[in-house]
Amino acid sequence: GQNIDQPTEMTATEGAIVQINCTYQTSGFNGLFWYQQHAGEAPTFLSYNVLDGLEEKGRFSSFLSRSKGYSYLLLKELQMKDSASYLCALIMIYNQGGKLIFGQGTELSVKP
Amino acid sequence: DGGITQSPKYLFRKEGQNVTLSCEQNLNHDAMYWYRQDPGQGLRLIYYSQIVNDFQKGDIAEGYSVSREKKESFPLTVTSAQKNPTAFYLCASSKDTFQYFGAGTRLSVL
Repeated sequence: GQNIDQPTEMTATEGAIVQINCTYQTSGFNGLFWYQQHAGEAPTFLSYNVLDGLEEKGRFSSFLSRSKGYSYLLLKELQMKDSASYLCALIMIYNQGGKLIFGQGTELSVKP
Repeated sequence: DGGITQSPKYLFRKEGQNVTLSCEQNLNHDAMYWYRQDPGQGLRLIYYSQIVNDFQKGDIAEGYSVSREKKESFPLTVTSAQKNPTAFYLCASSKDTFQYFGAGTRLSVL
């Protein structure tokens, strides 16, 4: 199976840094996505990791360690608009049609 | 503008009724997907289609049906067999690795 675990909710302060973790158990996947989702809206793409290591994109960075079954999303210089749900997802390509397997999401609240 | 269009935005279903959610894309993508999202949960795959006239069940296909007669369209029918249909439904399409999502349809039971 592909059990994916994320903390249910986190709280952080405006201007701070927050790290959202994602752990998984899977028999194989092609890459790992992070999405941001505001309530009642579609998920929007944040980052994609295929190889181990850190991918940086402005205020957002994502890290993957395949050997440890672990990823994290790092958000810097937090803004109020970053309050949203953050979804970790594995993409299964080989014989599985490129389907995404999602974690339950982490609800981030940014306080003034 | 290229994109994915889901309609309607809100839908209400009566007991014993089948309802159909529309998903249209003009991105020329081969693959299309339907996901269901319950409050405080991630997305779960209902059905997916990699090519016209072919589709596969996802993890929670029971009570749902789909068709893929045209590349641009992948409608989802929520049948009366789906006893707990209240959820947010998201359609997506992809050509390679990246999936692009529609704005979603929120289905409620009257």
